[in-house]
Amino acid sequence: GESVGLHLPTLSVQEGDNSIINCAYSNSASDYFIWYKQESGKGPQFIIDIRSNMDKRQGQRVTVLLNKTVKHLSLQIAATQPGDSAVYFCAEGTGTYKYIFGTGTRLKVLA
Amino acid sequence: NAGVMQNPRHLVRRRGQEARLRCSPMKGHSHVYWYRQLPEEGLKFMVYLQKENIIDESGMPKERFSAEFPKEGPSILRIQQVVRGDSAAYFCASSPTSGNEQFFGPGTRLTVL
Repeated sequence: GESVGLHLPTLSVQEGDNSIINCAYSNSASDYFIWYKQESGKGPQFIIDIRSNMDKRQGQRVTVLLNKTVKHLSLQIAATQPGDSAVYFCAEGTGTYKYIFGTGTRLKVLA
Repeated sequence: NAGVMQNPRHLVRRRGQEARLRCSPMKGHSHVYWYRQLPEEGLKFMVYLQKENIIDESGMPKERFSAEFPKEGPSILRIQQVVRGDSAAYFCASSPTSGNEQFFGPGTRLTVL
């Protein structure tokens, strides 16, 4: 029979505004978290990572926040640009190699 | 420094045929990981290999799927007797050591007719 796929949640933001993408992770033992950006037809591209001994880390235009109490991760993108349009995945790991990826959020930047 | 290379980028097979997907890790990387991605979903871990060794294949289906990473040459993900449900994007990633950031290739999109 025909299977029904899940549709990715979508976040639409105006160009120049800030974007906040959220992720709930599952394993309280996870100690390494990564955000990836995936453009259509391409592989995931590393954006930023954070280890569990930190609650905030900043990169160029991006900030990752980690709340271990509620197992929540967020990615903030400042001054969102059209080139930021993509699907964003969070991934969690236990410091070794097996990443567990979230289902992803599609970011649409409106001109 | 070239990134992770995968070929072919697109592969079409009929049901019952074999699919071979190749992955050349980044220079200096001896750890390779394979993931599968269905449309509109996240990546699912399949297998982790080091040169000549399978470290963890807990995400691989028990039948029809196999992976290798020989001493020389690329890592190969092999799917025998493909079925329509195998249609997906297969991504390879590599890292210099375990526990480090994984760098992803562009993927192979397998379509089973």
